Amino acid sequence: GEEVAQTPKHLVRGEGQKAKLYCAPIKGHSYVFWYQQVLKNEFKFLISFQNENVFDETGMPKERFSAKCLPNSPCSLEIQATKLEDSAVYFCASSQSGELFFGEGSRLTVL
Amino acid sequence: QQPVQSPQAVILREGEDAVINCSSSKALYSVHWYRQKHGEAPVFLMILLKGGEQKGHDKISASFNEKKQQSSLYLTASQLSYSGTYFCGTDSGAGSYQLTFGKGTKLSVIP
Repeated sequence: GEEVAQTPKHLVRGEGQKAKLYCAPIKGHSYVFWYQQVLKNEFKFLISFQNENVFDETGMPKERFSAKCLPNSPCSLEIQATKLEDSAVYFCASSQSGELFFGEGSRLTVL
Repeated sequence: QQPVQSPQAVILREGEDAVINCSSSKALYSVHWYRQKHGEAPVFLMILLKGGEQKGHDKISASFNEKKQQSSLYLTASQLSYSGTYFCGTDSGAGSYQLTFGKGTKLSVIP
């Protein structure tokens, strides 16, 4: 597609529950990124992929977060055992030549 | 390291000009500029590459001083639609287009 599609738009979870977010990058884009934006608007890098391979996961709290980008499937970001501080908007972006195209984001609220 | 943006916020009257600055303590390969309106995804404005190449927006210009590791975004004859939060994103050239974003500059244009 011509835009990055993220689902769901909103997700509410109780603390300790699992959350899974999805992202369909723009067709033909080799790079996919996940960013977390918290209330103060700061973007925190989580993970990047080059095609289906993890390129950089230095931003991921690996004990609870995992992500995949498998061929012919939307990319996914999963949080096991959510915590209150995971409440944020999670943006997926894709790129082919440098400029990032962002999806509309998925707002996760952890109660 | 996160780039530093200044000012944090600025209020302009329609038609006035503004400059937003972004500086990094790391050597940079490129600097990106994005604008985010409240509740929306960031939108690409401009990318400045090491070596002087620039790609971006018709009504907005920017500069990139590689030696000083600084970039400035110039908004001239501002319009109401320019309101939003402007983020610079820096790429240190690891080859993945991964960006580290500044904390943002909130621009409000009033009639």
